[in-house]
Order: sequence, then structure tokens, then C-alpha cells
Amino acid sequence: SQQGEEDPQALSIQEGENATMNCSYKTSINNLQWYRQNSGRGLVHLILIRSNEREKHSGRLRVTLDTSKKSSSLLITASRAADTASYFCASRMDSSYKLIFGSGTRLLVRP
Amino acid sequence: EAQVTQNPRYLITVTGKKLTVTCSQNMNHEYMSWYRQDPGLGLRQIYYSMNVEVTDKGDVPEGYKVSRKEKRNFPLILESPSPNQTSLYFCASSLGGTGSSTEAFFGQGTRLTVV
Repeated sequence: SQQGEEDPQALSIQEGENATMNCSYKTSINNLQWYRQNSGRGLVHLILIRSNEREKHSGRLRVTLDTSKKSSSLLITASRAADTASYFCASRMDSSYKLIFGSGTRLLVRP
Repeated sequence: EAQVTQNPRYLITVTGKKLTVTCSQNMNHEYMSWYRQDPGLGLRQIYYSMNVEVTDKGDVPEGYKVSRKEKRNFPLILESPSPNQTSLYFCASSLGGTGSSTEAFFGQGTRLTVV
């Protein structure tokens, strides 16, 4: 399977804590993207990091990329109950239009 | 507002009865694709299209057809649905270009049940 792996599969934290999710992929990439999915709804793009970037920030989101380990992490700081959702990484190869999705992390933020 | 619109949102049908799920985008995107999402299996690509009249199989194309006669529309056709096609389906679009550093926009999903 081309699909990436995400770790952990599920994460439960208290509001205000930080949440870290990890993603591994299998091929060399052009970029890696993170998406959020609220229960049963469409995916929403959060942030994109290119293969020549190592870290990127957007608001409370911080993404890192380690191409030597073929891995990425998403950090959500000062989490809120509204952050409760599933989070997916998606990698795009250089020579392809295709996005390859990870298996997702279900995040629960307890009020 | 930039969006991808899928219809219907929910559909219950019987085995063998042909159905079409429509998808339309208003962003003039070249690339469109269909995914299915199943518990424990994540999102898997069914078909994709790089532009009008250009379509190709994704990872799980069996039992599905698509067409791309206009840039904005990319319908998913199930000629003879079976219960194993019960799933949550998503249409997505993005700007074209291999390795493009652009995001994908997703529809709200179609929950299909085949009985």
C-alpha cells in the first residue's frame, strides 16, 4: 500500500495542552499537507510544507518535516475543545498529481 | 465562495440499481478526484482527472466509472452498486501541475448505503 502511517491513532488531551501527531510516508515527496476532518464531514486543508522546508507555523499549528526519515509532525498548541477532529497527513510526490493520505489521528480535546 | 459541491449528501439504494453522485467545483481547477473513506482504511483514491476528457484509475477503481466532459463537473457513476461499495465518498479538486504545491478542496461527502 502507498498509504502513510499516522501515530497515534487516537489522542485524548485536556483543553490547553499541546497535541502532537506524527506521520510517516514512503516515497520522496514534493510537499506534505495536513488536513482536518470533523466527524463525517469533508477534509479542510490546514497547512502545507514543501520538501525543502523543515518547519512551518500557522497560528497555533507547527509542522516539521524530516525528509531523511520520511516523517512529519503536527503540533497544535494550547488546544481547544473545537480542535476535536481527525487529522490526516497527505504527501504529494514530485511527478504526480496524487495525494497519498495517512491513516489519520483522532484527537479528542476534553473541556 | 470557492467550493466543491457534492450531491446527494446521503443515499440509500438497492444492489444493482445504477446511481450517479455529482461533483462540481467553481475554482477552475484542472485536477479532480474521487475518494472513498472506510473505517480503518483511511482515504483511498478511486479515479482522478487531470483535465477535460482525461481520466485515470486510482487505487480502488473496480465497480466505478467517471467522466469529465466539462472542467467543473466530475460525476462518479456506480453502474451496478454492491454492498461493499457502502462507504463515505469525497470529491476533491486542486490546481494542476505535477508536484503542485497547492491544497486540495474537498466536498462535504456523500454517505452511500447499498442494501
